[in-house]
Amino acid sequence: GAVVSQHPSRVICKSGTSVKIECRSLDFQATTMFWYRQFPKQSLMLMATSNEGSKATYEQGVEKDKFLINHASLTLSTLTVTSAHPEDSSFYICSASRGYREGNTEAFFGQGTRLTVV
Amino acid sequence: KQEVTQIPAALSVPEGENLVLNCSFTDSAIYNLQWFRQDPGKGLTSLLLIQSSQREQTSGRLNASLDKSSGRSTLYIAASQPGDSATYLCAVRPAFAGNMLTFGGGTRLMVKP
Repeated sequence: GAVVSQHPSRVICKSGTSVKIECRSLDFQATTMFWYRQFPKQSLMLMATSNEGSKATYEQGVEKDKFLINHASLTLSTLTVTSAHPEDSSFYICSASRGYREGNTEAFFGQGTRLTVV
Repeated sequence: KQEVTQIPAALSVPEGENLVLNCSFTDSAIYNLQWFRQDPGKGLTSLLLIQSSQREQTSGRLNASLDKSSGRSTLYIAASQPGDSATYLCAVRPAFAGNMLTFGGGTRLMVKP
């Protein structure tokens, strides 16, 4: 299957600092990537859709200024958690879709990033 | 709004059993359905993808079926092994919603040696 690489896998940062998480599609181009957040023993919650060359689309309740998304190329999207606070501690996962045709695609996920804000 | 439900939420079985995980969705207008596996603290691994025009897909000991009209999918695991222990998530791709996925809550499977 296709490979999506997410880095770092684990990060600990001090409250008030910013953290950048990278998501790369290694063997295919992805015009759209997705960022999810997952709380313990819960399913994935979509945060935003990252669109190459344009602004990200955020889900209701997700702060755009807190979670900055940049999709500068067809293989890279980044999520920056700005001015992180302990409540931002969570597991963040990205995905990229490889398409057969418009809308009918297969999703592949990164390994996830465990963020701990102290 | 599409909603996806997985039953049971948790399942514990002895090694060797055949088992069935269930997934239901409320809107049959989907492009496809995917089953994923998630190990603790890890990302998701795609297991099977069923297109809306297909009835089932098989990979090794896994078989997934899709009945789009009734909004149901099942994941069948044959001869379960302790290494199958993980959370299994199903997700549908609603038609005309871009490439977004709607996830179920997952089934946490424990296979005991």
